[in-house]
Amino acid sequence: DTEVTQTPKHLVMGMTNKKSLKCEQHMGHRAMYWYKQKAKKPPELMFVYSYEKLSINESVPSRFSPECPNSSLLNLHLHALQPEDSALYLCASSQISAAGASYNEQFFGPGTRLTVL
Amino acid sequence: QQQVKQSPQSLIVQKGGISIINCAYENTAFDYFPWYQQFPGKGPALLIAIRPDVSEKKEGRFTISFNKSAKQFSLHIMDSQPGDSATYFCAASGRVTSGSRLTFGEGTQLTVNP
Repeated sequence: DTEVTQTPKHLVMGMTNKKSLKCEQHMGHRAMYWYKQKAKKPPELMFVYSYEKLSINESVPSRFSPECPNSSLLNLHLHALQPEDSALYLCASSQISAAGASYNEQFFGPGTRLTVL
Repeated sequence: QQQVKQSPQSLIVQKGGISIINCAYENTAFDYFPWYQQFPGKGPALLIAIRPDVSEKKEGRFTISFNKSAKQFSLHIMDSQPGDSATYFCAASGRVTSGSRLTFGEGTQLTVNP
């Protein structure tokens, strides 16, 4: 099973709302990622979790708060977002293996289309 | 040094033709080069990937050609079909011991006319 699932598919929220995006994978991958993608642009990395610990934060504003409750789940908590945060939010996962043996084959979920009003 | 430059930005091909998308990189530490295909409203799907120890990899109608000395790699889609119409991203990364980052090209919007 090479599937990464994301919920919800679509989300509309006001600037004062609090919402969460969820991601799940059952491939046994120990690295999970959040990306943001604007129209006609490549995905931009936001966060990386390795072994359920945050390993990379690409200077993302604090209104985005990631959480990795276990090795299969990844959440992105949203609070006080701005209209410019409207985008497709993608989750991905990949294997981690012994030093020098992994090639970062990342599998993406379908994304959550977020609209901030 | 982290950039991956992708061209062309858009490409129109007739059905049955060959689609060619090119990428170039600078960082010699990169040693994994995947291509992703993305349809509108969907997440990127891993299409094919190559490691620098081979110069070519073929999977069905899709072929990656890799030129290590020139630091370039390209995607060839043979017998292009209207269903191949999508955005294609090349990417690159180095060996990882933990979760790491893919460096993406800017993308190529491919249209295959019937």
